[in-house]
Amino acid sequence: GESVGLHLPTLSVQEGDNSIINCAYSNSASDYFIWYKQESGKGPQFIIDIRSNMDKRQGQRVTVLLNKTVKHLSLQIAATQPGDSAVYFCADSYSGAGSYQLTFGKGTKLSVIP
Amino acid sequence: ETGVTQTPRHLVMGMTNKKSLKCEQHLGHNAMYWYKQSAKKPLELMFVYNFKEQTENNSVPSRFSPECPNSSHLFLHLHTLQPEDSALYLCASSQGMQGLGGYTFGSGTRLTVV
Repeated sequence: GESVGLHLPTLSVQEGDNSIINCAYSNSASDYFIWYKQESGKGPQFIIDIRSNMDKRQGQRVTVLLNKTVKHLSLQIAATQPGDSAVYFCADSYSGAGSYQLTFGKGTKLSVIP
Repeated sequence: ETGVTQTPRHLVMGMTNKKSLKCEQHLGHNAMYWYKQSAKKPLELMFVYNFKEQTENNSVPSRFSPECPNSSHLFLHLHTLQPEDSALYLCASSQGMQGLGGYTFGSGTRLTVV
C-alpha cells in the first residue's frame, strides 16, 4: 500500500538552532497531513497539521511546509530546545472513498545538543 | 495525560499465557484504534473501531483479539503470543476516522513475550 517515509532517521542540532525534519509521502490523493512528536516512554503527541489546500502553516515555534508537486512535507522547529529531543513522525490521510485512516512514517529522532 | 489511558504500562507474559490490554478514552471520540510499534518500523495499524463497530482488521493474527464494548473502551486480548509480538502497543482515538485534528494516543503498553 501507500506509505509515508522520512529522509533521515536521526538529526542532531545545537540548542538554539533551527531544526528541519523532512518527510516524503507517496499517495498523491492525500489531503491531510500531521506531524507528531513522541518522547521516550510516551505515545505520539499531535504537534501541527495542514490540509492540502495550504502550503504553509505556523504554530508556536513550529512551521509545517507542504509541497504537493513533489509530495514533500517538512517540519521546522525554531530555536530548538532540549525538550524538543524526541522522535518526530509525519502522517497523511485521504478523505475520499475507501480507507482513510492516518498512515505513519518511520520517524526521525531529533537530538538537541546543549 | 492525554485523555487516552492505557493499562498496564508494562506487561511480561509467557507464550502460553492469556492477558488483556485495556484502553479508555473520555474525549467523546467515536473512533478507536490499536497500533503496534516496533523498533525501526512505522506504526502498524491493527484494528479500527468506529462507533463500536470494527471497520478494519489489518491482517492481524488471530492470537490478537480486540473487543470494543462501547465507544469509550477498547480491549486487546492476547493469547499464545510469539516473542516477535514483543512491542509497544498503542491505543488511539479520534473524532472521525480521517483524524482531522489528529489522533489522540495513549502512552502505550510495553509488551514483552518470553
